[in-house]
Amino acid sequence: NAGVTQTPKFRVLKTGQSMTLLCAQDMNHEYMYWYRQDPGMGLRLIHYSVGEGTTAKGEVPDGYNVSRLKKQNFLLGLESAAPSQTSVYFCASRPGTGKETQYFGPGTRLLVL
Amino acid sequence: SQQGEEDPQALSIQEGENATMNCSYKTSINNLQWYRQNSGRGLVHLILIRSNEREKHSGRLRVTLDTSKKSSSLLITASRAADTASYFCATDAGSNYQLIWGAGTKLIIKP
Repeated sequence: NAGVTQTPKFRVLKTGQSMTLLCAQDMNHEYMYWYRQDPGMGLRLIHYSVGEGTTAKGEVPDGYNVSRLKKQNFLLGLESAAPSQTSVYFCASRPGTGKETQYFGPGTRLLVL
Repeated sequence: SQQGEEDPQALSIQEGENATMNCSYKTSINNLQWYRQNSGRGLVHLILIRSNEREKHSGRLRVTLDTSKKSSSLLITASRAADTASYFCATDAGSNYQLIWGAGTKLIIKP
């Protein structure tokens, strides 16, 4: 099993450009999460999903949108990138209720100029 | 907002020594988890301790939880160079399937 994979690994955007980050998991997990990690800080939750077709806002959702059309994929979109969105983005998945461990992808490093 | 706060922010010890890092949190929890992050990589789950547990072991790891003080500690015994990483605590307060993360402790093991 590949676990949780993220595409791309690294991207440079200009202010105002858009992009989509893809997260895929092959563990049949119900829950999926998008986090951002900034220097000296812990993870902050952007959006999450508790099942196919569902999404919900986390702590820092502004400027991001998500979709979970298929159970194995969770997409994070930036419609109009801003320098404040320069960060490392991590996707995670979790089996479901009663199984609390989260499994992380390797991260996507995003630089917005 | 971050619920967990790790202490110290950074820790540098000699290989073979024990490393202790602490986590404090603010609200009642269902469980507390510790994760490791090697430089430039994703996080890896280490251990989970539930609110009704006081101590848990996994290999060279020992975690304690004091719910009255709202704090937890992670002890790594007989440290190795490969333990060099950042360690994060995360609390599950049972709301909205979310974990709330601390800012982490950066551990450096000197050979």
